[in-house]
Amino acid sequence: GDSVTQMEGPVTLSEEAFLTINCTYTATGYPSLFWYVQYPGEGLQLLLKATKADDKGSNKGFEATYRKETTSFHLEKGSVQVSDSAVYFCALMHQGAQKLVFGQGTRLTINP
Amino acid sequence: GAVVSQHPSWVICKSGTSVKIECRSLDFQATTMFWYRQFPKQSLMLMATSNEGSKATYEQGVEKDKFLINHASLTLSTLTVTSAHPEDSSFYICSASGSAGNQETQYFGPGTRLLVL
Repeated sequence: GDSVTQMEGPVTLSEEAFLTINCTYTATGYPSLFWYVQYPGEGLQLLLKATKADDKGSNKGFEATYRKETTSFHLEKGSVQVSDSAVYFCALMHQGAQKLVFGQGTRLTINP
Repeated sequence: GAVVSQHPSWVICKSGTSVKIECRSLDFQATTMFWYRQFPKQSLMLMATSNEGSKATYEQGVEKDKFLINHASLTLSTLTVTSAHPEDSSFYICSASGSAGNQETQYFGPGTRLLVL
């Protein structure tokens, strides 16, 4: 069945550092790929998404590129801020379906 | 916009009792609501999908008589954990999709932490 694997956390970085959170998936066909973020005490929020190969999703300085050849959707940000501290979830969904399949989440802490 | 609330945010109950968790879409009509369960350091696992006015569709391995889901209106879905046992202790999260954004976008509640003693 479909699955999503994220790099193990927690990840701790200093402010202005470069961030990469790896995400790979296993799925049939061409699913849509998502990154969700969960800030402390809040629900998951959609951060960005990509619906086809080579698409790049971007939002709030974060980017992720849909790589079909490596079945990956790594999340990157060039310069992180303390306010980026949160749990990040990678997920996939087959188009036309509504079922999201999540990775296990990666906790990110940014120190000033 | 597109806010989803859950109540309560946490609950402690005795083994054998039933617990009801509410999920509300505050500013949009939720034609579809989803219930997830999350164990510590694990991913969210979809338990069931419910459409307003219809019976919920449960994922494989989820006991429908144990986890009762009602989606009686376009703004409210409830999850009732019946005869709760310690192994039901978990973090339960709902999401909703509908008139806010496209049908593919789910808006998530903040979750309800259940502890069964």
